[in-house]
Amino acid sequence: SAVISQKPSRDICQRGTSLTIQCQVDSQVTMMFWYRQQPGQSLTLIATANQGSEATYESGFVIDKFPISRPNLTFSTLTVSNMSPEDSSIYLCSVPKQGTETQYFGPGTRLLVL
Amino acid sequence: GENVEQHPSTLSVQEGDSAVIKCTYSDSASNYFPWYKQELGKRPQLIIDIRSNVGEKKDQRIAVTLNKTAKHFSLHITETQPEDSAVYFCAASFTGNQFYFGTGTSLTVIP
Repeated sequence: SAVISQKPSRDICQRGTSLTIQCQVDSQVTMMFWYRQQPGQSLTLIATANQGSEATYESGFVIDKFPISRPNLTFSTLTVSNMSPEDSSIYLCSVPKQGTETQYFGPGTRLLVL
Repeated sequence: GENVEQHPSTLSVQEGDSAVIKCTYSDSASNYFPWYKQELGKRPQLIIDIRSNVGEKKDQRIAVTLNKTAKHFSLHITETQPEDSAVYFCAASFTGNQFYFGTGTSLTVIP
């Protein structure tokens, strides 16, 4: 299975500030996905990050609020901009298992916005 | 887009009994249906999956069934154990692209 790491693992932020979350994979992958999991809720896809092109955002998520970078095939960042308490969630990246439809999840970044 | 519904939201069973969790999906193009288990404070872990060309798949105490016509798939856990207690999520996707998750089922196995 792919080894996926995320930084930071958790953070407490003030409203109005921004936080950039990093996702690092130990192998090259074409697509990386970013999810949000609000407290006690399911996982909601934010966007798909493809290397060399702009991210594709799901309905309800916009680039100005969640800019994404994908500089190479093993790394991506998600920024949560101009944060409010409603952004308090766990943010997870995921990547497909090579040659399959299965996805592996990173450990998540637990964000609390005060 | 795809819409996945999951029931029940909570489920309590006695140790040794069976547990069944059901999901429905809306997009007939979806062809891959994984199930994830998420323990408290941990990342979701894949426990079993099924593709649309298969009606049933089993892995020891866990099985998944799929009814493409009804757009319905279910997770079956037999001989439940306390360590099966977790939140379970179903998901649907098309050719392994983005996953759309159900709302989750919190399973408690009572010793």
